[in-house]
Amino acid sequence: DQQVKQNSPSLSVQEGRISILNCDYTNSMFDYFLWYKKYPAEGPTFLISISSIKDKNEDGRFTVFLNKSAKHLSLHIVPSQPGDSAVYFCAASKDTDKLIFGTGTRLQVFP
Amino acid sequence: DTGVSQNPRHKITKRGQNVTFRCDPISEHNRLYWYRQTLGQGPEFLTYFQNEAQLEKSRLLSDRFSAERPKGSFSTLEIQRTEQGDSAMYLCASSSGTSGASSLYEQYFGPGTRLTVT
Repeated sequence: DQQVKQNSPSLSVQEGRISILNCDYTNSMFDYFLWYKKYPAEGPTFLISISSIKDKNEDGRFTVFLNKSAKHLSLHIVPSQPGDSAVYFCAASKDTDKLIFGTGTRLQVFP
Repeated sequence: DTGVSQNPRHKITKRGQNVTFRCDPISEHNRLYWYRQTLGQGPEFLTYFQNEAQLEKSRLLSDRFSAERPKGSFSTLEIQRTEQGDSAMYLCASSSGTSGASSLYEQYFGPGTRLTVT
């Protein structure tokens, strides 16, 4: 039962353009959502998060949008930079409990 | 504090051997989590501790797996009689774990221990 889904395994974006990574979830009890970035042979690095009581959170070049009615969230990166090339994981949590991760989207930003 | 640390970073073992991994969380964090990640998948929850109490174990955690956090600080994850299917990246994370602030949901991960069972 995949409660958190990232349906795009990969995304390729030109440097300077916007990257949009998508995530869907099925459990309406989730109350907190997070995005992590992962480089090969390293642990995931926390990027940005959003509470279920909000619909948008912004931190520099990164913005997360939450649509509770659609059970959908997205991460926008603008402008995209080559250093953003990594695997991005969406995760969801309930009551500071364990994180449920999606399968990840590999982002490649090319010059 | 330099973040979550894990040792060893890599472990190669023969099938049937026992292995033990260590995790040192961020010092002020009272929750500690273990996850496992295999190729092409996101991290999967194994177990977590609130201080020294183990509060939940995933059904992924068979009887061959045991985790401890004896003094509420570092934690160890032991796998007995390793199998080739245990080959994975084992990740440790920590968080404040107290309700009331958004940052308390945020888990911070260590670099992981890559286990290869031959």
